[in-house]
Amino acid sequence: EVHLVESGGGLVQPGGSLRLSCAASEFTFSSYEMHWVRQAPGKGLDWVAHISGSGNTIYYADSVRGRFTISRDNAKNSLYLQMNSLRAEDTAVYYCARERGHWNDFDYWGQGTLVTVSS
Amino acid sequence: QSALTQPASVSGSPGQSITISCTGTSSDVGGYDYVSWFQQHPGKAPKLMIYDVTNRPSGVSNRFSGSKSGNTASLTISGLQAEDEADYYCCSYTSSTTVVFGGGTKLTVL
Repeated sequence: EVHLVESGGGLVQPGGSLRLSCAASEFTFSSYEMHWVRQAPGKGLDWVAHISGSGNTIYYADSVRGRFTISRDNAKNSLYLQMNSLRAEDTAVYYCARERGHWNDFDYWGQGTLVTVSS
Repeated sequence: QSALTQPASVSGSPGQSITISCTGTSSDVGGYDYVSWFQQHPGKAPKLMIYDVTNRPSGVSNRFSGSKSGNTASLTISGLQAEDEADYYCCSYTSSTTVVFGGGTKLTVL
């Protein structure tokens, strides 16, 4: 069974940084494009970033471009999200999601990790 | 990129059918056959119910179906069951090479 486990969330002050990780197992990680999706408390889903299987192609939502960096280490079956210059509006549960094949067909999701940006 | 437009809530009785709409633009829903639907129960991760407008992943009940006309996609759930009560989100690829979600629809089974 495909398994995705996020970690690295927590409380951070505005302007601070945090690095999220997503450990993948039970599938050939390098063959799949991966995404980060977030959900603010009580709100809807919000796409954050995408990375190709090789890591060579990356796209970001306008709201995080220039502040967040998505990356992956296929040798470690891991996906990352480096978040800098954090703002209160970045407070959310962050999910990593596997793309089935067509951009937004996220067939497996992690359980999420909560990031709280507050002073 | 503006969020896709979904009704905030819909409701139906067990056994009935309901339809949730998802309206976008020609730059997202209307321009590509990359519309997905996700079900989310409270405190849980989203679950893929429909992809590529009409396709169901293995294991998803055939009571769930998707369609699209112009800039509006729809999710229909037939034979409503109590366990269908959840939040539903549509999602589309966009011409900006990004992904956009709808605001979500809360389904209540009466």
